[in-house]
Amino acid sequence: DTGVSQDPRHKITKRGQNVTFRCDPISEHNRLYWYRQTLGQGPEFLTYFQNEAQLEKSRLLSDRFSAERPKGSFSTLEIQRTEQGDSAMYLCASSQISDYEQYFGPGTRLTVT
Amino acid sequence: GEDVEQSLFLSVREGDSSVINCTYTDSSSTYLYWYKQEPGAGLQLLTYIFSNMDMKQDQRLTVLLNKKDKHLSLRIADTQTGDSAIYFCAEKFHQTGANNLFFGTGTRLTVIP
Repeated sequence: DTGVSQDPRHKITKRGQNVTFRCDPISEHNRLYWYRQTLGQGPEFLTYFQNEAQLEKSRLLSDRFSAERPKGSFSTLEIQRTEQGDSAMYLCASSQISDYEQYFGPGTRLTVT
Repeated sequence: GEDVEQSLFLSVREGDSSVINCTYTDSSSTYLYWYKQEPGAGLQLLTYIFSNMDMKQDQRLTVLLNKKDKHLSLRIADTQTGDSAIYFCAEKFHQTGANNLFFGTGTRLTVIP
């Protein structure tokens, strides 16, 4: 399977804990995106990378959120001191620089209790 | 503006055509997309259209774009029960160099056997 993969698929954590999610993009894709989707809403953009450079961050990405893509391949999204409002589906997508199509992974569903 | 609006629900009988509508507010959008999301899953790219096109057809899917009214529609011919899902309209802007997508709230399509 050469699609976008995300790990874990589900995460339940207690408020105040830190969590980290991983995304593996399609192998030849230079761009990688993180989105957040809450119940009943469409995905909202968080941040994106071109190779290892983080080029854009949404105002939704508070100081508790950090994303990395150290070698320009997989990416991690860390949330520190989780809050109940962080409960959502976190989606990763990837694309080529010359491509208009973003392909999404299956998402990581986070539940903060 | 980055508002993308869709009606929340649509029910059709199996074999009929479905038409899902979307309005957007930013005339600088260059690409408009339709994604499908099944329960608990990520987003599947169905099709997209460039803003200089009026129509695009791909098998059972027809996309119509009315730039004057900022209206986008997705027609699914011969709708099947497997088409039951949430359909998201999304737009992408080019002028700022941003590459993220702005999504609507989604239309839940229910196909009645």
